[in-house]
Amino acid sequence: AQSVTQPDIHITVSEGASLELRCNYSYGATPYLFWYVQSPGQGLQLLLKYFSGDTLVQGIKGFEAEFKRSQSSFNLRKPSVHWSDAAEYFCAVALDNYGQNFVFGPGTRLSVLP
Amino acid sequence: KAGVTQTPRYLIKTRGQQVTLSCSPISGHRSVSWYQQTPGQGLQFLFEYFSETQRNKGNFPGRFSGRQFSNSRSEMNVSTLELGDSALYLCASSLGPLSSGNTIYFGEGSWLTVV
Repeated sequence: AQSVTQPDIHITVSEGASLELRCNYSYGATPYLFWYVQSPGQGLQLLLKYFSGDTLVQGIKGFEAEFKRSQSSFNLRKPSVHWSDAAEYFCAVALDNYGQNFVFGPGTRLSVLP
Repeated sequence: KAGVTQTPRYLIKTRGQQVTLSCSPISGHRSVSWYQQTPGQGLQFLFEYFSETQRNKGNFPGRFSGRQFSNSRSEMNVSTLELGDSALYLCASSLGPLSSGNTIYFGEGSWLTVV
């Protein structure tokens, strides 16, 4: 079945440590790929997106993500986490397919230890 | 440039009532999409409107409906509310339709509690 998965429900890291959030998708074609962040009680903010071209994408707040076609993955990374990064992170795909539109992964909650 | 604006931000309804939520997209954006977010189901796509036409609808019952006006503002309506409809309803806008891959921008959401 077509899906977007984020294997980690909750991740806890220490401030200053590196971070990697995983995202995998299962679709026949390469979709447009996004990472969004949601702070408590807030809407979603776009961190970065991948459409085509360079597979390493830079985003806001020091985040980057790498698209790996062979692994159907689009993992989000940050070299040094700040306490303000604590939030829920959603991977999403948009499909060039009238019947699918926008699909979100289940989300990964990030906690940051001081 | 103003972002996506959703009203009301918070509301409480009783079972069986109906509710209408409003969304004003970013100026110039013609696509508005709606999402439901609950702890159990996560973020789910409700429907998308582009140029006043519904382009697609997610897997929700007919109690959930929407419309888009000529100024791109959108409303969604939920009739005969059930306790399970309690959720954060998010609206998002983009320049073109979702299938074009345009970046979508989210509003702060409307928190609906059904009692």
